[in-house]
Amino acid sequence: QKEVEQNSGPLSVPEGAIASLNCTYSDRGSQSFFWYRQYSGKSPELIMFIYSNGDKEDGRFTAQLNKASQYVSLLIRDSQPSDSATYLCAVNDDKIIFGKGTRLHILP
Amino acid sequence: ETGVTQTPRHLVMGMTNKKSLKCEQHLGHNAMYWYKQSAKKPLELMFVYNFKEQTENNSVPSRFSPECPNSSHLFLHLHTLQPEDSALYLCASSQAVGQGRLGTYGYTFGSGTRLTVV
Repeated sequence: QKEVEQNSGPLSVPEGAIASLNCTYSDRGSQSFFWYRQYSGKSPELIMFIYSNGDKEDGRFTAQLNKASQYVSLLIRDSQPSDSATYLCAVNDDKIIFGKGTRLHILP
Repeated sequence: ETGVTQTPRHLVMGMTNKKSLKCEQHLGHNAMYWYKQSAKKPLELMFVYNFKEQTENNSVPSRFSPECPNSSHLFLHLHTLQPEDSALYLCASSQAVGQGRLGTYGYTFGSGTRLTVV
């Protein structure tokens, strides 16, 4: 059974600080990795994807991939209250396997 | 219209009713999916269509019946549902990179249908 594991949270981070979200996956052969943001009652929205080991930056978001350790992380710099949402880690294994999500709460 | 469009946005139905959910994607994708998301639960994959062919049915009860007439449209026909079927039903699409490689570039989700069974 291929799995994607995330801490369900909630993760509380003060406004302006860095939020760090982590994810591990079980299939060493996975090639592409995604972070989705889902606001309460809304659908998931793709915010980052990463294919290669290392860091990928997009604005305030940085995705980090370490295939040897089978983990993916998402860093959110200068956290804003609008970043409060559930963040879903997803791994492509033919079709995409989603983690259960981490609830992030940015404290004003 | 752009992206993935789902209708209706909200649906309340009795247990003896028959209704259908509709999904349309305007992205030129060739794979489509139905997901169920219940309160405080992860996304549950229900059905996968790849090039209009159903390639996955994750042990979904027969009261849910999917239909994919072409690669742009996906329906979910509902009949004799139970209250525990109340959930957010999400449609998604992706560009399959050939057979068996569905998620290479990620999925695009529709806004979902909030279903309440009374």
